[in-house]
Amino acid sequence: EAAVTQSPRNKVTVTGGNVTLSCRQTNSHNYMYWYRQDTGHGLRLIHYSYGAGNLQIGDVPDGYKATRTTQEDFFLLLELASPSQTSLYFCASSDMREVFFGKGTRLTVV
Amino acid sequence: AQKVTQTQTSISVMEKTTVTMDCVYETQDSSYFLFWYKQTASGEIVFLIRQDSYKKENATVGHYSLNFQKPKSSIGLIITATQIEDSAVYFCAMREGQGGRALIFGTGTTVSVSP
Repeated sequence: EAAVTQSPRNKVTVTGGNVTLSCRQTNSHNYMYWYRQDTGHGLRLIHYSYGAGNLQIGDVPDGYKATRTTQEDFFLLLELASPSQTSLYFCASSDMREVFFGKGTRLTVV
Repeated sequence: AQKVTQTQTSISVMEKTTVTMDCVYETQDSSYFLFWYKQTASGEIVFLIRQDSYKKENATVGHYSLNFQKPKSSIGLIITATQIEDSAVYFCAMREGQGGRALIFGTGTTVSVSP
């Protein structure tokens, strides 16, 4: 069965702190994505990748970096976290027709 | 630029009835995929059903079906014989067919099913 695993599931950090969100997929999909979900906005695309070493900018990239180290692993980095980045983050993987989501990471920046 | 719009913020229905949700989209591509997802109370996002733009037949999976009106750029979701557990937030999403573009989501419709 298709699987996308996110870690951690919950994270609290302080303003200015560094945070790394991890995502691993075992679907052999080329494409991986990071989204954030906020009330009233639905899911908004932060960054995405076509494969190891590739990175594409999404719709709300400011304050975020991402790195795709292998086909399986995609990381989202917040180097100077701010309260505006408090959100629910989802990772997804896909081929051309199927898109599967992880269970989400709830990040709180205090 | 692509865009997905869900204008219904919330819908309340009685159990065992039919609920219909609207979604319109904008795209310049001739090939695209349309999806509906359900977000449960736990936050999990679950794939429900997909419509490929080149297919004329409306997709159906279980008690979910689509009303695809390509000239109107519309893809409605129909849930028949609703159950309490169908209470959730439903998202419409679109993906253009060229080169693995990302899913673009609407803002969601909250469905509440009452006994």
